[in-house]
Amino acid sequence: DTAVSQTPKYLVTQMGNDKSIKCEQNLGHDTMYWYKQDSKKFLKIMFSYNNKELIINETVPNRFSPKSPDKAHLNLHINSLELGDSAVYFCASSHRVVRVAGYEQYFGPGTRLTVT
Amino acid sequence: GDSVTQMEGPVTLSEEACLTINCTYTATGYPSLFWYVQYPGEGLQLLLKATKADDKGSNKGFEATYRKETTSFHLEKGSVQVSDSAVYFCALKTSYDKVIFGPGTSLSVIP
Repeated sequence: DTAVSQTPKYLVTQMGNDKSIKCEQNLGHDTMYWYKQDSKKFLKIMFSYNNKELIINETVPNRFSPKSPDKAHLNLHINSLELGDSAVYFCASSHRVVRVAGYEQYFGPGTRLTVT
Repeated sequence: GDSVTQMEGPVTLSEEACLTINCTYTATGYPSLFWYVQYPGEGLQLLLKATKADDKGSNKGFEATYRKETTSFHLEKGSVQVSDSAVYFCALKTSYDKVIFGPGTSLSVIP
């Protein structure tokens, strides 16, 4: 069973288009995240949702809009795509409440977005 | 603000060599600390973690100790294998639930 899944795995599109990336987790977690990883492997958090509520919203262009229809899903919609949006986007999930052993994030396999 | 610093790579080692990847952090309060590993073409996965000072996390022969006095969480392995080739990320979780990742250290192990 896949814990955190993302679709599509690869996305090639032209500048100016609008695209969406979907994420689903079957771990029963209450918090989901979107990260952007650039070509140098630097990982930057974009958004975080807890129980469908936005809790982290980093400095991200408002062309990026997350949507969480329920606790198990967090989708990322991108309007007017630009060349600089090319990157690998990772979805992740976790429990928000800190347990005795701490908590960790579970990552999806990533979506490689290429804007031409 | 909160931050994580890692030694810059890439690091290239011969099989069975010793590995140390340095990680230091800046954080208010008492963060939890993690090492994640990313194999080529995959997402990140947890390697080990520590939630309080002096805790030692270990997994797959890797170890790291939460050192509050030096604000460090260095990753070590006594004998690396080719299959350990990956990018390693040090990370902390703050008291307000934000996870901050270091820049990653690429490791290549050659036979």
